[in-house]
Amino acid sequence: DAGVIQSPRHEVTEMGQEVTLRCKPISGHNSLFWYRQTMMRGLELLIYFNNNVPIDDSGMPEDRFSAKMPNASFSTLKIQPSEPRDSAVYFCASSFPPDQPQHFGDGTRLSIL
Amino acid sequence: GEDVEQSLFLSVREGDSSVINCTYTDSSSTYLYWYKQEPGAGLQLLTYIFSNMDMKQDQRLTVLLNKKDKHLSLRIADTQTGDSAIYFCAPSGGSGNTPLVFGKGTRLSVIA
Repeated sequence: DAGVIQSPRHEVTEMGQEVTLRCKPISGHNSLFWYRQTMMRGLELLIYFNNNVPIDDSGMPEDRFSAKMPNASFSTLKIQPSEPRDSAVYFCASSFPPDQPQHFGDGTRLSIL
Repeated sequence: GEDVEQSLFLSVREGDSSVINCTYTDSSSTYLYWYKQEPGAGLQLLTYIFSNMDMKQDQRLTVLLNKKDKHLSLRIADTQTGDSAIYFCAPSGGSGNTPLVFGKGTRLSVIA
């Protein structure tokens, strides 16, 4: 079975540019999570969706970050404009239901120059 | 909300046992999970324990739960260099709609 699929695996861009990260959850999972991982702050939950509806976005750092889940098989995390401090590894995970084990993608390593 | 604490680093010699500790605050956690993250990869579910259990053994892994003290530990017997990774403790919420809360992870380094 296909796991959680994230794209791109690596992204390098200049500050000020728009960045879009993509995630395809495991088929049948109804909860989707976006995390950010840095050395300084560890793994942080940014936002999670249940049945395509954002439930908790309190971890989203600021208005430059936005996330959407237009359907059960696709989600995006957008940063506009990007800044060097956004450099991190961004993970997407999915589960069914929210309190069951989360399955993680391999992450997107984002570098903002 | 739930707060999960882990020590950040652990270093052991190959062949020794490793013990990774975790404390949490939400006593209603039903399941408590351990995840492993290898370099450049996502988190993988390693093992878990149900909250009405004190201990669970799975090959080289032993999970101990002290529910009174809200303390969870993961023991790895005969630690190998391939066990070098970051280990995350993640209690589940008490209701079906509460997602897991991850600790900051313990980086295990195994010295040959």
